[in-house]
Amino acid sequence: DTAVSQTPKYLVTQMGNDKSIKCEQNLGHDTMYWYKQDSKKFLKIMFSYNNKELIINETVPNRFSPKSPDKAHLNLHINSLELGDSAVYFCASRLSGRENYGYTFGSGTRLTVV
Amino acid sequence: AQKITQTQPGMFVQEKEAVTLDCTYDTSDQSYGLFWYKQPSSGEMIFLIYQGSYDEQNATEGRYSLNFQKARKSANLVISASQLGDSAMYFCAMRDTNMDSNYQLIWGAGTKLIIKP
Repeated sequence: DTAVSQTPKYLVTQMGNDKSIKCEQNLGHDTMYWYKQDSKKFLKIMFSYNNKELIINETVPNRFSPKSPDKAHLNLHINSLELGDSAVYFCASRLSGRENYGYTFGSGTRLTVV
Repeated sequence: AQKITQTQPGMFVQEKEAVTLDCTYDTSDQSYGLFWYKQPSSGEMIFLIYQGSYDEQNATEGRYSLNFQKARKSANLVISASQLGDSAMYFCAMRDTNMDSNYQLIWGAGTKLIIKP
């Protein structure tokens, strides 16, 4: 199936731990994003990569570090997790110049920090 | 600054009725794009419809249409003949022009739509 795949779907971890979320797309898109959705359902961009190059790096703590080994993958590593990091994290991708097809989202990773 | 406003936090609609979800936007750009996404209770984000600022006709996709009124800066989503499966959060979003043509989306707060049988 062609899609944006995120793993894991659920992640429960203790404060202070380090965790990673993986994202892969097989759509041939050249741009990938990480979004954070808080408990009030508000979506906020965190990072954007275009052809493996970091383009957008919004004001997020430097405990969050994205890594794009190739243009089909964009992983998110989080160090020293805090309670406030609990949220749903979405990976998304798009193809430059083809906006009318929308941005394709992964199914989300629900991170709970206890 | 660019902004999306969805004034309806929640709506109840009878099954088979048409629904209009409001979205207004604010931008000084001449070229922009507007999107609607659906987020059911299962959590995934589903792309519904796109309207470009230069598109002369309102976008349509099956039961979804976008009532685009440029002068009023509104881009309302219309769902015809609503179904129980339409119950979900609906988000309006706008493409934010950013450097290197790598656009991000500016999101509204969402409208929770519940279809009553």
